[in-house]
Amino acid sequence: QAVLTQPSSLSASPGASASLTCTLRSGINVGTYNIYWFHQKPGSPPQYLLRYKSDSDKQQGSGVPSRFSGSKDASANAGILLISGLQSEDEADYYCMIWHSSTWVFGGGTKLTVL
Amino acid sequence: QVQLVQSGAEVKKPGASVKVSCKASGYTFTTYDINWVRQATGQGLEWLGWMNPYSGDTGYAQKFQGRVALTRDTSISTAYMELSSLTSEDTAVYYCARTVRTTGWFDPWGQGTLVTVSS
Repeated sequence: QAVLTQPSSLSASPGASASLTCTLRSGINVGTYNIYWFHQKPGSPPQYLLRYKSDSDKQQGSGVPSRFSGSKDASANAGILLISGLQSEDEADYYCMIWHSSTWVFGGGTKLTVL
Repeated sequence: QVQLVQSGAEVKKPGASVKVSCKASGYTFTTYDINWVRQATGQGLEWLGWMNPYSGDTGYAQKFQGRVALTRDTSISTAYMELSSLTSEDTAVYYCARTVRTTGWFDPWGQGTLVTVSS
């Protein structure tokens, strides 16, 4: 079982909100981890979005709009990236990442379509 | 502005080695780590390792231990990633990323270097 699991795709409408999940493997407690989020548009390198550990311990990337935010769902053992007020430019691949067993581990990515 | 500029595309034969450079500008090279990540076409991101340019300390993904080497030349603010014993599975775009020490704040990233391994 992969360390981080992300749904392969998600569709949402312009102006709506999208919730992208990053589920940690059983036995790895999401509460103890910083969850990092990146997005990547075709033909470009990934870009850093934010870090989330808790509401009191989080960090937004430079220039990243506040409509991108992080949270966790402890019951699902998952990190969440919430994007509100979706815009066409938000269409991209989204990756989560954690530091686990002395390794940076990425989720498989979610392709977000805004239509 | 802060920028990482990587070397150009490479084509290598199986069994060969490749060395990709990542030149930093716009900040003090030795005050941030450099991480390396690769991405095969149409696939996700895969971490290779990190380097502290000040001390030269490195850490590698277990998968690449013994096959990857991260080095730097502080006089020209350049980091290097060398990958040996190449196979077709190593065909990918390789990225460097500036990283706030001991965090996952990978920002910015280099533009990427396509390494193609083909006989």
